[in-house]
Amino acid sequence: GAGVSQSPSNKVTEKGKDVELRCDPISGHTALYWYRQSLGQGLEFLIYFQGNSAPDKSGLPSDRFSAERTGGSVSTLTIQRTQQEDSAVYLCASSSVIQETQYFGPGTRLLVL
Amino acid sequence: SQQGEEDPQALSIQEGENATMNCSYKTSINNLQWYRQNSGRGLVHLILIRSNEREKHSGRLRVTLDTSKKSSSLLITASRAADTASYFCATAYNQGGKLIFGQGTELSVKP
Repeated sequence: GAGVSQSPSNKVTEKGKDVELRCDPISGHTALYWYRQSLGQGLEFLIYFQGNSAPDKSGLPSDRFSAERTGGSVSTLTIQRTQQEDSAVYLCASSSVIQETQYFGPGTRLLVL
Repeated sequence: SQQGEEDPQALSIQEGENATMNCSYKTSINNLQWYRQNSGRGLVHLILIRSNEREKHSGRLRVTLDTSKKSSSLLITASRAADTASYFCATAYNQGGKLIFGQGTELSVKP
């Protein structure tokens, strides 16, 4: 079946602009995760959605970052007033909680000029 | 920080040789997972080992887990040039929860 998809693949934006990154998880997966990978920080957890439970937002670096998951499926990560340090690859993953294995999408490479 | 540590940071071997990568972590875990990443994009899941397991095999991959030492190792046998990639361990502290990643090992397999 189809894997996790993310869009756009690449995004170049100017400092101060808002960006939206999209993630389509594997159908039927109840858990969805966002991670960020940058040269200085490695792979960092950002936020996690599980079914109808309140999301675990403990990894969001600032209040400029937010995410939502509509209808238990597609998720959007929004970064407001982007800064140069937000430049990174943003990775989305999903899992069937029972299996626990997380399946990753190809990522969105964000460059803030 | 809960983040695990991996060593070596980089490993260069010849095709046919075995590659061993190590991962250490800091607190009790539910499971530990190994991932591979090519060209800095999506991660490919390799193997998951639970806290009550000591060893797992998948094809040319062998993973061990020593919870008393809070460490794991990934062995790739008979390596191929196509195994060239970055390898990450990731620990899960509860069922279905977030993963904490190590810094990764960059493996280069020369033909």
